[in-house]
Amino acid sequence: DTGVSQNPRHKITKRGQNVTFRCDPISEHNRLYWYRQTLGQGPEFLTYFQNEAQLEKSRLLSDRFSAERPKGSFSTLEIQRTEQGDSAMYLCASSLGGTTGITEAFFGQGTRLTVV
Amino acid sequence: GDSVTQMEGPVTLSEEAFLTINCTYTATGYPSLFWYVQYPGEGLQLLLKATKADDKGSNKGFEATYRKETTSFHLEKGSVQVSDSAVYFCALRRGATNKLIFGTGTLLAVQP
Repeated sequence: DTGVSQNPRHKITKRGQNVTFRCDPISEHNRLYWYRQTLGQGPEFLTYFQNEAQLEKSRLLSDRFSAERPKGSFSTLEIQRTEQGDSAMYLCASSLGGTTGITEAFFGQGTRLTVV
Repeated sequence: GDSVTQMEGPVTLSEEAFLTINCTYTATGYPSLFWYVQYPGEGLQLLLKATKADDKGSNKGFEATYRKETTSFHLEKGSVQVSDSAVYFCALRRGATNKLIFGTGTLLAVQP
C-alpha cells in the first residue's frame, strides 16, 4: 500500500449526469476526508469520516452531493445532476486519529471533473 | 472563522536565490500549521509542519517557524532549485475539527 488512491483520475461528463468517484485510503488510516479544489484556489473541505461514520459536512456539500464509507475502508463521492460549477479537482486524504491525537493527512492525486 | 492568507504569486526566482513565501493565519486557540506542496500533475504532499508556538518545521532545506505573536508561518529556503518549482499551500488545523483550512496557494517558478 503506497498511498491514497483515487479513481478515475479524470472524468468528463455532460451537465445533468451523475458521477461517482472512489477513494482508497492508506490501509491503517481510520479517517478519510474529501476536499474540492477549483483553479487557482486552495482545497476546500467537504466532509470527513471516522471509520464508517460521517462526522462533519461542509455547507459546500449541497443536497446533490453524497459521500459514503460503508465498511470504513474505501469511500465514494457521488454528485447527482452535475452542473458546470461542479467542475473542479476532488481530493481525498486520509489520516490516523485517536485519543492521542491525529497524524498529518496524506492526499491522493485527485479526480479532475469537467462538466460540459 | 478560521482563515489563512498567503502572498500572491507567481514568485519567479533564479536558481540559488533565497525564497520567502509569507503566510498569516486567523484562528482561535492554538492551531497546527502546515505547508503542503503540489508539483505539476501530482497531489498535495506535506512539506513541513509545526504544532505549537516557536516550533520550527523543516524538510528538504525548507523551514518555517510558528510565530504566535505575529500569527505567521512564513516558508523560507536559502537556495532554491529548478526542481522546487511548484505550488505551495499554507494550511492550519485547529483542535479536534480535523479539517485543514488552506490558503490560495503560491506558484513558485525557479529559472536556471
